[in-house]
Amino acid sequence: IAGITQAPTSQILAAGRRMTLRCTQDMRHNAMYWYRQDLGLGLRLIHYSNTAGTTGKGEVPDGYSVSRANTDDFPLTLASAVPSQTSVYFCASSDSGRGGNEQFFGPGTRLTVL
Amino acid sequence: GNSVTQMEGPVTLSEEAFLTINCTYTATGYPSLFWYVQYPGEGLQLLLKATKADDKGSNKGFEATYRKETTSFHLEKGSVQVSDSAVYFCASEGNTGGFKTIFGAGTRLFVKA
Repeated sequence: IAGITQAPTSQILAAGRRMTLRCTQDMRHNAMYWYRQDLGLGLRLIHYSNTAGTTGKGEVPDGYSVSRANTDDFPLTLASAVPSQTSVYFCASSDSGRGGNEQFFGPGTRLTVL
Repeated sequence: GNSVTQMEGPVTLSEEAFLTINCTYTATGYPSLFWYVQYPGEGLQLLLKATKADDKGSNKGFEATYRKETTSFHLEKGSVQVSDSAVYFCASEGNTGGFKTIFGAGTRLFVKA
């Protein structure tokens, strides 16, 4: 593994179904993030984690949950998917604690909720 | 709260033209500023950054200068190539209450041969 991996690459999901998007990094970064990317809106932060064992809400957290059991993994769960959650989801990580930190992004998961 | 505003796209240029993509920010304190680039089908990757006033970030022929007096971080390139076609995101990282990054909406650039 090099950098950040996300799975699946894409998914079509029926409304009301539960879905977990996976994210793994091998850079030993403390901080991890989930964003959604929608046309004309840029990237919006869903949830973040500054270190293993802690999580926080971003700009658009409703309908999503996360966990951070260890440094490497940061899964995002949609408990009951709705069509408005159709989007491209990006996981990212950074070496937090210092200013000027670059975020490293995964390749994204394209999710369609019907 | 903190915010980032960048010019709307798409921007269409011919090869070798001069590029400017405007970006302004509002923030408490003095944030670090970034430009990220997203090529088709990929995640974002850092293009350049500046961490304090008057710093100039540069990479791959792109430049941006941190202007505190105008709260701006405009991206420029003297001669664009077809391979520069991508979406460009300006971003601001706050330095109070945790280092959260705010992204602009993105500007799509098309470069024609």
